[in-house]
Amino acid sequence: DTGVSQDPRHKITKRGQNVTFRCDPISEHNRLYWYRQTLGQGPEFLTYFQNEAQLEKSRLLSDRFSAERPKGSFSTLEIQRTEQGDSAMYLCASSLRGWKGTDTQYFGPGTRLTVL
Amino acid sequence: EDKVVQSPLSLVVHEGDTVTLNCSYEVTNFRSLLWYKQEKKAPTFLFMLTSSGIEKKSGRLSSILDKKELFSILNITATQTGDSAIYLCAVEASGAGSYQLTFGKGTKLSVIP
Repeated sequence: DTGVSQDPRHKITKRGQNVTFRCDPISEHNRLYWYRQTLGQGPEFLTYFQNEAQLEKSRLLSDRFSAERPKGSFSTLEIQRTEQGDSAMYLCASSLRGWKGTDTQYFGPGTRLTVL
Repeated sequence: EDKVVQSPLSLVVHEGDTVTLNCSYEVTNFRSLLWYKQEKKAPTFLFMLTSSGIEKKSGRLSSILDKKELFSILNITATQTGDSAIYLCAVEASGAGSYQLTFGKGTKLSVIP
């Protein structure tokens, strides 16, 4: 399978615990994005990387959230001291920035987080 | 603030019907508009539109963009039960290093036999 993969697919945790999610993008893609989606809503942008550099962060990304892409390949998203409001589907997408300046983001299957 | 509004929010049709889904947007520095199909998993890419008036087609699906009136439509002809999904519209804006997608809430399409 050469698509975007995410691990784990489901995570249940207790409030106050830390969780970490992993995303492996399509291999030649230089851009990687994280989104959060709650029931009945479209995905909300959290952050994105071009190679290993984190270029943009949404104001939705509080201090408890941190994302890394250390070698410009896979990325991790960590949530510290989880709260019930963090329960959502966390989606990762990747793209290859083309010379025309537009690209298409391809999404992974998501990690569904439930905070009890 | 960038804004994407989809209508209707939900739609129920019979197999064989033709449907039109709407997406209007207000963004600064528009770059592209994308349509995605989301079933019980992550969104899958359908179309990217950057120019007005040029229809994109894929089988029974087609889409067109109007950059003057700031909207796009997604048409599905001869609908099948497998078309049942949430259809998401997203707009990419550029400027100041921003390449994020802003999504609408989606249109939930249910196709009944």
